[in-house]
Amino acid sequence: EPEVTQTPSHQVTQMGQEVILRCVPISNHLYFYWYRQILGQKVEFLVSFYNNEISEKSEIFDDQFSVERPDGSNFTLKIRSTKLEDSAMYFCASGSNILAKNIQYFGAGTRLSVL
Amino acid sequence: SQKIEQNSEALNIQEGKTATLTCNYTNYSPAYLQWYRQDPGRGPVFLLLIRENEKEKRKERLKVTFDTTLKQSLFHITASQPADSATYLCALDSDTGGFKTIFGAGTRLFVKA
Repeated sequence: EPEVTQTPSHQVTQMGQEVILRCVPISNHLYFYWYRQILGQKVEFLVSFYNNEISEKSEIFDDQFSVERPDGSNFTLKIRSTKLEDSAMYFCASGSNILAKNIQYFGAGTRLSVL
Repeated sequence: SQKIEQNSEALNIQEGKTATLTCNYTNYSPAYLQWYRQDPGRGPVFLLLIRENEKEKRKERLKVTFDTTLKQSLFHITASQPADSATYLCALDSDTGGFKTIFGAGTRLFVKA
């Protein structure tokens, strides 16, 4: 069964460093998302991406964050100058088509630890 | 602002009973509502989607209702099993018209054998 793949599973970084979280969505999907979940809290929307551009972003997704789909398979989230409060689980998700709008398939997540 | 409320207290039930979880929302006019399951340390898994013109949706032991007047959805698991123990998330799309999904905080379900 096709699945969303995220790497690495755990990323440890020093405060102020840049990190890139990687995702390989399901191959025929068109809609891509990033979420974060701080330990013990709810899943929070960061950004959605469709047709090679950002469709929607939340207040959390400020200039520190960027997304890119550099080729036909990868979808990345870059966090510049990480802060302690960026420590969280980051989930990538993808969705297939407008008729199944926003049914999303999630990856296993990347746990980001900022020290 | 748009808000989704799920019972933050854990729900403990006995195996074989029906679990009922509630999702209430305010300041939304969603065209549809989704339910996901999340296990500890894992990503959410899609379970069911119900549209505003549907009163009820079923999938195996799962049933979802959607009352747009009450602004409420109920999620039922019949003949519950210990393997159903997880956190169940309600999700709605933002009214902004883009692709933005807002998740509730979830309700933790424990099914005891």
